[in-house]
Amino acid sequence: RKEVEQDPGPFNVPEGATVAFNCTYSNSASQSFFWYRQDCRKEPKLLMSVYSSGNEDGRFTAQLNRASQYISLLIRDSKLSDSATYLCVVMMDTGRRALTFGSGTRLQVQP
Amino acid sequence: EAQVTQNPRYLITVTGKKLTVTCSQNMNHEYMSWYRQDPGLGLRQIYYSMNVEVTDKGDVPEGYKVSRKEKRNFPLILESPSPNQTSLYFCASSFRDGLLNYGYTFGSGTRLTVV
Repeated sequence: RKEVEQDPGPFNVPEGATVAFNCTYSNSASQSFFWYRQDCRKEPKLLMSVYSSGNEDGRFTAQLNRASQYISLLIRDSKLSDSATYLCVVMMDTGRRALTFGSGTRLQVQP
Repeated sequence: EAQVTQNPRYLITVTGKKLTVTCSQNMNHEYMSWYRQDPGLGLRQIYYSMNVEVTDKGDVPEGYKVSRKEKRNFPLILESPSPNQTSLYFCASSFRDGLLNYGYTFGSGTRLTVV
């Protein structure tokens, strides 16, 4: 079983749609959680950290359920520029600070 | 502008010819790390550094070396590159504020081809 699992997609949605991505992680000792986006052949960029209380940044809302080891990302009012691969990422709270990446979910927003 | 700078962006080399990929960050971050990204395998950590002169192996360290003589620089060294090291490499840096871990900032990547 992969440490971080995501639906690979692709998710093809029209502009203005609301889309939700889900992610599960296997290591209950994971401490920090993030969503990154990655455009084709470019570096991952931090979209937002994910906190137990849930957090929102504009059109983006992230949720964490530690009991279920489940992370979600909701994108409202999708834009063409949201087309990218979304990576669910967890970090153990150790000196190594290694990020464990999901394989990513590809989103294609269509006009 | 806060950033992580990697060089070169693209590199084609021959098997066995030593090379260095440079990485520099201007954010005074303590933590730096190298990742490689391969199709179907995702991003995997090669080496990391908690601070100056403190480095350690990640998940896939074989064939690589690193050094951290200054806080801002974290070069990746391939002493004798082999074709299985053909990959997309990312350098990243991060810091921690008390109990809060901040996500990494990544460099633009180095696409390495070893023939």
